[in-house]
Amino acid sequence: QQQVKQSPQSLIVQKGGISIINCAYENTAFDYFPWYQQFPGKGPALLIAIRPDVSEKKEGRFTISFNKSAKQFSLHIMDSQPGDSATYFCAASRASGTYKYIFGTGTRLKVLA
Amino acid sequence: DAMVIQNPRYQVTQFGKPVTLSCSQTLNHNVMYWYQQKSSQAPKLLFHYYDKDFNNEADTPDNFQSRRPNTSFCFLDIRSPGLGDAAMYLCATQGPQETQYFGPGTRLLVL
Repeated sequence: QQQVKQSPQSLIVQKGGISIINCAYENTAFDYFPWYQQFPGKGPALLIAIRPDVSEKKEGRFTISFNKSAKQFSLHIMDSQPGDSATYFCAASRASGTYKYIFGTGTRLKVLA
Repeated sequence: DAMVIQNPRYQVTQFGKPVTLSCSQTLNHNVMYWYQQKSSQAPKLLFHYYDKDFNNEADTPDNFQSRRPNTSFCFLDIRSPGLGDAAMYLCATQGPQETQYFGPGTRLLVL
């Protein structure tokens, strides 16, 4: 019940294309779903996050789509650029005194120039 | 400006020789986290602090300890590092709402 399943494990996209990464969760108590971007040798950095009361959130080229009934959420990167090449982690947490994250397994994205 | 600072960025130690990693945060938040991240894996939570309250994850080895002398600082002590403890160690704190902010990490190499 605590797992967050992420797919695909790796993704290769042409420059200008759309990158799509999917996550699925089981615990309906989760109510916060962030996406993190991590470059090699760096710490994860928050990219965008969503709560279950909205179905979509967009920030620049990055969009989260959220399907509460299916317990799935996805990250879309529009007009993908070589600089987007990184590992992406989805996560889920629920409101409490400490918001412990359950991370997905990560997706390694490579955008070809 | 960096919100979470970790030192050193790279640490080399010998098998069995105790090592301490440090973390500081500028958000003055009462929650701090330590994660272990091995190559090509997701960060794995080792423990977290809520104020002075220390919360160990069930599967965190006894070899890993932590200290939090004040709100800003937190230390990770590895009492007897083994080869399997070579990893990136990430410190994080809580930002607005549920957001966690991560430091740049300390890469630990065990010889």
